[in-house]
Amino acid sequence: GQSLEQPSEVTAVEGAIVQINCTYQTSGFYGLSWYQQHDGGAPTFLSYNGLDGLEETGRFSSFLSRSDSYGYLLLQELQMKDSASYFCAVRDRTTDSWGKLQFGAGTQVVVTP
Amino acid sequence: DVKVTQSSRYLVKRTGEKVFLECVQDMDHENMFWYRQDPGLGLRLIYFSYDVKMKEKGDIPEGYSVSREKKERFSLILESASTNQTSMYLCASSSRRDRKSTETQYFGPGTRLLVL
Repeated sequence: GQSLEQPSEVTAVEGAIVQINCTYQTSGFYGLSWYQQHDGGAPTFLSYNGLDGLEETGRFSSFLSRSDSYGYLLLQELQMKDSASYFCAVRDRTTDSWGKLQFGAGTQVVVTP
Repeated sequence: DVKVTQSSRYLVKRTGEKVFLECVQDMDHENMFWYRQDPGLGLRLIYFSYDVKMKEKGDIPEGYSVSREKKERFSLILESASTNQTSMYLCASSSRRDRKSTETQYFGPGTRLLVL
């Protein structure tokens, strides 16, 4: 089986930096993905880490440490529009070869003025 | 631009009715998925399909069935709707071109279903 843990909520002010941690337990591992979902909207893909290290996409970065079964999503220069839920997701190598993902429960990021 | 569409944004049905939710993707993706999303429970996989006419149960398949007669279309069927199936239903698709593509899912806008 597999499980993912991430904080339920994070609050920060505009312009600040937020780090959302995700720890996972899985018997096999391919990579860690991150998705963003605004209220009433659909999840959208943000980033993917298949190897250890940092991936940067504009104001957002994602990090993976496979030896620690840990990753994080870093949101920099926070803007009001970044208020959303953020989900980490993994695919378990031993149980699935078809791309089925297990999602974390999501972290609600609240950005205040 | 990639696109996943769902047949309805909002749907109201009565208990016992048969409900069809349709999903269409225009990206020639092999994999398609149906999730439901409820407050505090995150995304839960109902069924997925990795090829035409192929289907696999997800984590919560009870009360649901699916159909994939064409590569671009994946239907979710509630044989006899019940009030506990009131939820947001999300369809997604992914390619199997490479590892990253397999783990990148594109979601439709969702169907908010209310069963009375």
